[in-house]
Amino acid sequence: AQSVTQLDSQVPVFEEAPVELRCNYSSSVSVYLFWYVQYPNQGLQLLLKYLSGSTLVESINGFEAEFNKSQTSFHLRKPSVHISDTAEYFCAVSDIKAAGNKLTFGGGTRVLVKP
Amino acid sequence: EAGVTQSPTHLIKTRGQQATLRCSPISGHTSVYWYQQALGLGLQFLLWYDEGEERNRGNFPPRFSGRQFPNYSSELNVNALELEDSALYLCASSAGTSGSGETQYFGPGTRLLVL
Repeated sequence: AQSVTQLDSQVPVFEEAPVELRCNYSSSVSVYLFWYVQYPNQGLQLLLKYLSGSTLVESINGFEAEFNKSQTSFHLRKPSVHISDTAEYFCAVSDIKAAGNKLTFGGGTRVLVKP
Repeated sequence: EAGVTQSPTHLIKTRGQQATLRCSPISGHTSVYWYQQALGLGLQFLLWYDEGEERNRGNFPPRFSGRQFPNYSSELNVNALELEDSALYLCASSAGTSGSGETQYFGPGTRLLVL
């Protein structure tokens, strides 16, 4: 079984400031890692994922996350946020060896970007 | 290309009634996942269907059930509704070919309110 902990439920941040969203996971098996974003009144969209290879993964809109196996973490960062980044962000894992892709989510971090 | 669609967008029922939620996956996707996003409980995996079969279910009672049709669309049924079933129900689809690292594409959700 897996569990995901997002340490901050809310993160207020000023526009153009950096932001870091913390994600730690616990699992008895190897996992894939994902970050999804949910904009107000919308479904979830994949931001980025780590499957293998380089532990630093990037998204097209400036976010990046680093997989740290020893600390079982997958923190998400952006060096300079925009108002449009206001959303809820979810970290998730899936069992590498499982058939299908049942995602186990963290509780979410609500990011509020202030002008 | 059309994304995942869900209907209805909102559903109001009374306790004890049955609710039926529908999901149409992205064209070509054979896997459909259902998640419940309830206030205070976060996102929880409900059911996974692939090629018309139920492949996995989360820790939910049997009154949560569903099916997948030959065109890969899916229906989630919730019988004997309880107040705590009030939640946003999200459907996601994936191609079903790449295992647990595959990206899931989410619909906008159906918001169910049980009175």
